[in-house]
Amino acid sequence: DIVMTQSPDSLAVSLGGRATISCESSQSLLYSANNKNYLAWYQQKAGQPPKLLIYWASTRESGVPDRFSGSGSGTDFTLTISSLQAEDVAVYYCQQYSSIPITFGQGTRLEIE
Amino acid sequence: QITLKESGPTLLKPTQTLTLTCTFSGFSLSTGGVGVGWIRQPPGKALEWLALIFWNDNKHYSPSLNSRLTVTKDTSKNQVVLTVTNMDPVDTATYYCAHKTGIEKFFDYWGQGTLVTVSS
Repeated sequence: DIVMTQSPDSLAVSLGGRATISCESSQSLLYSANNKNYLAWYQQKAGQPPKLLIYWASTRESGVPDRFSGSGSGTDFTLTISSLQAEDVAVYYCQQYSSIPITFGQGTRLEIE
Repeated sequence: QITLKESGPTLLKPTQTLTLTCTFSGFSLSTGGVGVGWIRQPPGKALEWLALIFWNDNKHYSPSLNSRLTVTKDTSKNQVVLTVTNMDPVDTATYYCAHKTGIEKFFDYWGQGTLVTVSS
């Protein structure tokens, strides 16, 4: 199984500040045939299901604000929120879909400082 | 507009079998590339993928629960059913069904989830 490890486990950022969440996979998620990284990011607010933010490591889902961006390749990935808003308080998960079983990171809790 | 909704029992006793139904609208499970997955989340814990069924009836299961899981689809009813045998208190979780499309296996639409508690 591919193990997904996120850091940090929790993070407090000031309103308007930059939040950076890392995700490391135990195997490369880059598929050379199409040069795509099989990684997605989700946001889960309290009491709600996860919401897809980013797929292919850096493609923003329709309707997701452009303050959310994804980067990285191979085994190291980053989700960045450029200017934190109050509504961004949530737990964020990375997910690999390179191979079965699909696996998620342990989550990173983001709060307002 | 794609929507999914999970339904089933909220309380089970240990060793019982869980049967959950995902009823969806806005897409067809007979369309190429479409799939429905099941993911669970114990209270306060991370997401765990369980199973995935595709438009062509191919299925994938989590190896850690493989022997206990069965997923089926009823295209005419727009439903996917997950059964989990021999339930244990550690299986207490919110169970979600979710939609995927294309060759990718990420989930772009999720149900609200249903909390299943296993207790004697």
